[in-house]
Amino acid sequence: AQRVTQPEKLLSVFKGAPVELKCNYSYSGSPELFWYVQYSRQRLQLLLRHISRESIKGFTADLNKGETSFHLKKPFAQEEDSAMYYCALTGGYNKLIFGAGTRLAVHP
Amino acid sequence: GAVVSQHPSWVICKSGTSVKIECRSLDFQATTMFWYRQFPKQSLMLMATSNEGSKATYEQGVEKDKFLINHASLTLSTLTVTSAHPEDSSFYICSATRGQVNTEAFFGQGTRLTVV
Repeated sequence: AQRVTQPEKLLSVFKGAPVELKCNYSYSGSPELFWYVQYSRQRLQLLLRHISRESIKGFTADLNKGETSFHLKKPFAQEEDSAMYYCALTGGYNKLIFGAGTRLAVHP
Repeated sequence: GAVVSQHPSWVICKSGTSVKIECRSLDFQATTMFWYRQFPKQSLMLMATSNEGSKATYEQGVEKDKFLINHASLTLSTLTVTSAHPEDSSFYICSATRGQVNTEAFFGQGTRLTVV
């Protein structure tokens, strides 16, 4: 079955601290993995996708097929990073399956 | 960038009535639109996939007759909640994609439905 697991509901860090939001997935084929972000009072938007292999706003995520993980990392968190982060996968036809989401709170 | 707009942003209706929510892609043609439901402090649950000119594909457990989806054009999909009840109160979100396979999804701002 297709499933995305984000074990942490809330991650609270201080500004400048490293951040890692965990994501594990279950999928029988070769999915595409995404991280979406929702800032306060804004709509959901794409942060990054594994096939792009790029860093957005200092965030990176590496797909580890052996561990079926796609953790999101940033070396130095900023207050403006505070938001809800959703890991998602699609196995085809753009149908997104979302994890439960992790709220990142960055304190000054 | 691509913009997806939902209307209305919020709606209150009486139990037993029907409510229609519109999802429009403003500056691109959406090959596929998706409808999600989000309960408070929970994730987005996919309800159905909608392709222009064809019947929507519903996820398991979603009542087709309860949640009517129409995708009449490449820029508009509608979700009608029929005979709404208080348990249908939720946040409904649509998204749209431009391509056929594994492309970025653009999300609407969501519609808060409250059934009283």
